[in-house]
Amino acid sequence: GDSVTQMEGPVTLSEEAFLTINCTYTATGYPSLFWYVQYPGEGLQLLLKATKADDKGSNKGFEATYRKETTSFHLEKGSVQVSDSAVYFCALGGGRTGGFKTIFGAGTRLFVKA
Amino acid sequence: DGGITQSPKYLFRKEGQNVTLSCEQNLNHDAMYWYRQDPGQGLRLIYYSQIVNDFQKGDIAEGYSVSREKKESFPLTVTSAQKNPTAFYLCASSRSGQGAFTDTQYFGPGTRLTVL
Repeated sequence: GDSVTQMEGPVTLSEEAFLTINCTYTATGYPSLFWYVQYPGEGLQLLLKATKADDKGSNKGFEATYRKETTSFHLEKGSVQVSDSAVYFCALGGGRTGGFKTIFGAGTRLFVKA
Repeated sequence: DGGITQSPKYLFRKEGQNVTLSCEQNLNHDAMYWYRQDPGQGLRLIYYSQIVNDFQKGDIAEGYSVSREKKESFPLTVTSAQKNPTAFYLCASSRSGQGAFTDTQYFGPGTRLTVL
């Protein structure tokens, strides 16, 4: 069935460092891909999304490109801030073998030090 | 402001008791969802509803029940049949019932349930 694998955390960076969080997926059909962010004690909120191959989602300095050839959707940010400390979830929605449901990765916790 | 509200934020339950978690949205969304989140894990789908008066089981529906009598409300009951109910429960909604899982989902703040 459909699945999402993202790098294990925690990831600890200094402020202004470059961030990459890897995400790969397995799916059939034409799923949409998402990155959600969860701050402590809160629900998830959408960070960015891409709906087809080669689409780039971007928001608040974060970017991710839907790569069908490598089945990846890696999250990047050029310069992280302390306020970016959170848990980041990669997700896939609408894949045929997943029953079209949303599949979430396990999450990657990011700590940014001042 | 539009959004999703969940109540209560913290809930304690004795073993053998049923408990109902509230979820309300004023976004006029057709689809609503319930997820369970355990430490260090991704979200797992309990139930979802794409339209009023209809709902479907997700991946871990055993021991849970839902209703969707109104568009804006999707309460979740955790029954005594749920063997390990202590978890963080998240409600979400998305605009379209038809394209439910390809749409952006909007999440509530969650309810943390602890069984004593």
